[in-house]
Amino acid sequence: RKEVEQDPGPFNVPEGATVAFNCTYSNSASQSFFWYRQDCRKEPKLLMSVYSSGNEDGRFTAQLNRASQYISLLIRDSKLSDSATYLCVVNGAGNNRKLIWGLGTSLAVNP
Amino acid sequence: NAGVTQTPKFQVLKTGQSMTLQCAQDMNHEYMSWYRQDPGMGLRLIHYSVGAGITDQGEVPNGYNVSRSTTEDFPLRLLSAAPSQTSVYFCASSYRVRSSEQYFGPGTRLTVT
Repeated sequence: RKEVEQDPGPFNVPEGATVAFNCTYSNSASQSFFWYRQDCRKEPKLLMSVYSSGNEDGRFTAQLNRASQYISLLIRDSKLSDSATYLCVVNGAGNNRKLIWGLGTSLAVNP
Repeated sequence: NAGVTQTPKFQVLKTGQSMTLQCAQDMNHEYMSWYRQDPGMGLRLIHYSVGAGITDQGEVPNGYNVSRSTTEDFPLRLLSAAPSQTSVYFCASSYRVRSSEQYFGPGTRLTVT
């Protein structure tokens, strides 16, 4: 099993739709979780951290499910500008706190 | 603040040539790193540094050297370019060692023929 797995998509949704992505991780001792956004041919940028209690930032909601070892990202009222690749990142556990990057989920929001 | 800057943006090399990819940050970040991104492989860590004078290897260090003589600069040197090093290279920095928010440079697209 890969350390961090994402459905590569692409997810094609109309403007205004709600879309959700999941990301599974293999190390149950992982401490920290994040979603990054990467536009085509650009650098990744932090979208949001994922807290145990879940967190929301405008139209974006992130959740953590430790029992099933996955994190999720929900985007409500999709905009054309949300079209991008969403990267799941997990910070390893213990002394080896390296960042483990998923391959990303591609989202295309269509007019 | 300029953030993280990288030069060049694009580069074509012939097999066997050497070159240095430049990276600089003006945020006084201690931690800097180099990644390569290839289709189907995701971001892979090449080398990283936790402060001036300190560097260490990541997942895929072979064929690359780094140095960190100042807090601001973290150049990546390709010793003898190979076609397998064709990739997009990103430099990143963060305030703390392996902190959550990595600030990335715009990337260098390298082709080795």
